[in-house]
Amino acid sequence: DTEVTQTPKHLVMGMTNKKSLKCEQHMGHRAMYWYKQKAKKPPELMFVYSYEKLSINESVPSRFSPECPNSSLLNLHLHALQPEDSALYLCASSQEGEQYFGPGTRLTVT
Amino acid sequence: EDKVVQSPLSLVVHEGDTVTLNCSYEVTNFRSLLWYKQEKKAPTFLFMLTSSGIEKKSGRLSSILDKKELFSILNITATQTGDSAVYLCAVLNYQLIWGAGTKLIIKP
Repeated sequence: DTEVTQTPKHLVMGMTNKKSLKCEQHMGHRAMYWYKQKAKKPPELMFVYSYEKLSINESVPSRFSPECPNSSLLNLHLHALQPEDSALYLCASSQEGEQYFGPGTRLTVT
Repeated sequence: EDKVVQSPLSLVVHEGDTVTLNCSYEVTNFRSLLWYKQEKKAPTFLFMLTSSGIEKKSGRLSSILDKKELFSILNITATQTGDSAVYLCAVLNYQLIWGAGTKLIIKP
């Protein structure tokens, strides 16, 4: 089973809203990732958690706040987003190298 | 600066044709090279290549890595319309460094 699940599939939020994206994997992978992907561009790394600890934060604005409650779950808390934050948000997990991606959350900020 | 370059950026062929997609890289602390297929949603993992000269194969898709010349190719034989997608190459050091992708369109 190489499944990573993400909820919600689609999200529309205003610039004053607070929302959260959720990601779950049950493959026992030690690392989990958040990526942002704009149209016609490759995924852009945002955060990496390794053994439930934040190991990489790629200079992401503070309006994005990651959380790793346990080894299977990864959240991304969103607050006061801008319209340019509209994108596909992808979660991935890995053990040794290959990363397996969830289906993504299509986020629109109005 | 680490970089991954894919070519061509886009390619249009007819069903049944064979295509070769290219990926060259200049990345410090290379660990492996990965190929993904992306249709409308998330990238789907295809191959991970770590050693030079060993071909990985899955059905009509195959890939090989040349660590001396710093490139990899992805071959698709007997293409079908369902192969239409963006093919992404990424190199792993301590994170994935992505190429821009090749957009492949298969015409019936």
